[in-house]
Amino acid sequence: KNEVEQSPQNLTAQEGEFITINCSYSVGISALHWLQQHPGGGIVSLFMLSSGKKKHGRLIATINIQEKHSSLHITASHPRDSAVYICAVTPWGGSQGNLIFGKGTKLSVKP
Amino acid sequence: DSGVTQTPKHLITATGQRVTLRCSPRSGDLSVYWYQQSLDQGLQFLIQYYNGEERAKGNILERFSAQQFPDLHSELNLSSLELGDSALYFCASSWGSSNQPQHFGDGTRLSIL
Repeated sequence: KNEVEQSPQNLTAQEGEFITINCSYSVGISALHWLQQHPGGGIVSLFMLSSGKKKHGRLIATINIQEKHSSLHITASHPRDSAVYICAVTPWGGSQGNLIFGKGTKLSVKP
Repeated sequence: DSGVTQTPKHLITATGQRVTLRCSPRSGDLSVYWYQQSLDQGLQFLIQYYNGEERAKGNILERFSAQQFPDLHSELNLSSLELGDSALYFCASSWGSSNQPQHFGDGTRLSIL
């Protein structure tokens, strides 16, 4: 079983829809990261959070530490949001910052 | 633009060869991370350096090695290349050694023929 699980694997939405991507993890963590990977391959860090909720524009990330679960929400989705969204965690402890990744959710937003 | 520079962008070589991938971290960042993204394994952590010293090691093969230089740029050396080493190799950087947002380069796409 992977330490970081994402659902769904693939998601197709119509422009304007509200989107939710889920992430569950099985290890103790220092932080959870949401990343976006565009078709060209580049990776952008969207959020890093260890508790509560963060918002940036139309993107909202939440985390429930007790339930080991995080969600990424996209409001008023747009075709330019089409990308792979990757959940990653920094394992608890030590002075290292490496990430353990989920397999990603491929989002396609149709006009 | 993340501020992290990776070169080259693409690399095509043959089995058994040796290549070097280079990463310049974002200005001011002391940590460099190397990740491998392959179709079957997804993204995997290889190795982390912090201010010139190895800080963490992941699923890095013995045929692979890395170092971080005094100017903080890093190189990942891959030797005795096999077909299965074909992947996207990402470098990321952060200011501290842990619990920091990471800034990713655009990756080096390595194709082994």
